[in-house]
Amino acid sequence: QVQLQQSGAELAKPGASVKMSCKASGYTFTRYWMHWIKQRPGQGLEWIGYINPNTGYNEYNEKFKDRATLTADKSSSTAYMRLSSLTSEDSAVYYCAHWDGGFAYWGQGTLITVSA
Amino acid sequence: DILLTQSPAILSVSPGERVSFSCRASQNIGTSIHWYQQRTNGSPRLLIKYASESISGIPSRFSGSGSGTDFTLTINSVESEDIANYYCQQSDSWPMFTFGSGTRLEIK
Repeated sequence: QVQLQQSGAELAKPGASVKMSCKASGYTFTRYWMHWIKQRPGQGLEWIGYINPNTGYNEYNEKFKDRATLTADKSSSTAYMRLSSLTSEDSAVYYCAHWDGGFAYWGQGTLITVSA
Repeated sequence: DILLTQSPAILSVSPGERVSFSCRASQNIGTSIHWYQQRTNGSPRLLIKYASESISGIPSRFSGSGSGTDFTLTINSVESEDIANYYCQQSDSWPMFTFGSGTRLEIK
């Protein structure tokens, strides 16, 4: 069965960067683009961007394109998102998800807390 | 950007009742709308894709309808386990997806 296992919660300081991971299993990793989605506490969902794990091609929501970097390692079936220049507005749960006619599969989320 | 407006913010119904969630798009998006359920502290779960297509493993009491700008998710005979937030999401502007702000379902 498809599983997306995300890395654990992190505490980061303002201005710092974080890198989180999403390890895929149960399907061919290179066949599906991996998307990343943000959810602030008590708020809705916001699409950040996606990566094609096979080619490394990616696209971003304009709002995140200067601070988010998506990468993928085919050898370990793992997608990564690096978020830089953190502010309190980046405190959120970040999900990886794969599209199969809708976001059919989601990771459990990685909680990022930005605090001095 | 395509804006999705969900209303109302909160719905309160009794078990066994039928409930409908509304999602309105700022422009014609055909049937490129998808619905998700998110329980407290859980990840979203895909309920309906492309406005009305069912998803394997999702109870048959969930259904979707609509096209163009107005969409509806319906739960026939609500159960206590349906307490959650419900979100619509559009894929018309692929891959620049947007989500609605959500509707919370409460059980009386």
